Amino acid sequence: EAGVTQSPTHLIKTRGQQATLRCSPISGHTSVYWYQQALGLGLQFLLWYDEGEERNRGNFPPRFSGRQFPNYSSELNVNALELEDSALYLCASSLGDRGLETQYFGPGTRLLVL
Amino acid sequence: DQQVKQNSPSLSVQEGRISILNCDYTNSMFDYFLWYKKYPAEGPTFLISISSIKDKNEDGRFTVFLNKSAKHLSLHIVPSQPGDSAVYFCAASAPLNYGKLTFGQGTILTVHP
Repeated sequence: EAGVTQSPTHLIKTRGQQATLRCSPISGHTSVYWYQQALGLGLQFLLWYDEGEERNRGNFPPRFSGRQFPNYSSELNVNALELEDSALYLCASSLGDRGLETQYFGPGTRLLVL
Repeated sequence: DQQVKQNSPSLSVQEGRISILNCDYTNSMFDYFLWYKKYPAEGPTFLISISSIKDKNEDGRFTVFLNKSAKHLSLHIVPSQPGDSAVYFCAASAPLNYGKLTFGQGTILTVHP
């Protein structure tokens, strides 16, 4: 069974640009989560989507946004990129909609902002 | 405010011996705890979890212990194998904030042959 997949694996942008990161959950999983791991920091929760709706949001500015499609895949959009947005962005998925289920992670997208 | 802390950045263990990784938390609302391991260039892999209604959960070589009064959990790996060398993260979640896992900073485990 295929795990969580993310694309692209690497992304290079310049300050002020927009970045779009994509995630496909494990088949049958309806919830998708996004996390940021900046250098020297732990994983920080960004967003949780289930059934196309945003269910929870971490302490990030509104320029971090996303959406979930009917096939449960998801996009994370980062607008007006800043240098400190350079990080590994991890997507996870889980069964169910209560947010209690174990989250399974993809390999991540490494974003570099120059 | 770091609510989940792994105070040991690294741990070195001989193959076959026990590895004990520790994690402390400050938020008494946390009621579900997980351990993940992460290899370079890969996403975190789920290892084992424990609910706050339990004080121990075992899965093969991995056992997680939870001490709610001390707000402390630990992961025991017995016996340790070189393939266990990775970064280990503990994570926690709380009611009314489900979906959000709060992670520790991670501990680098090195198992020497």
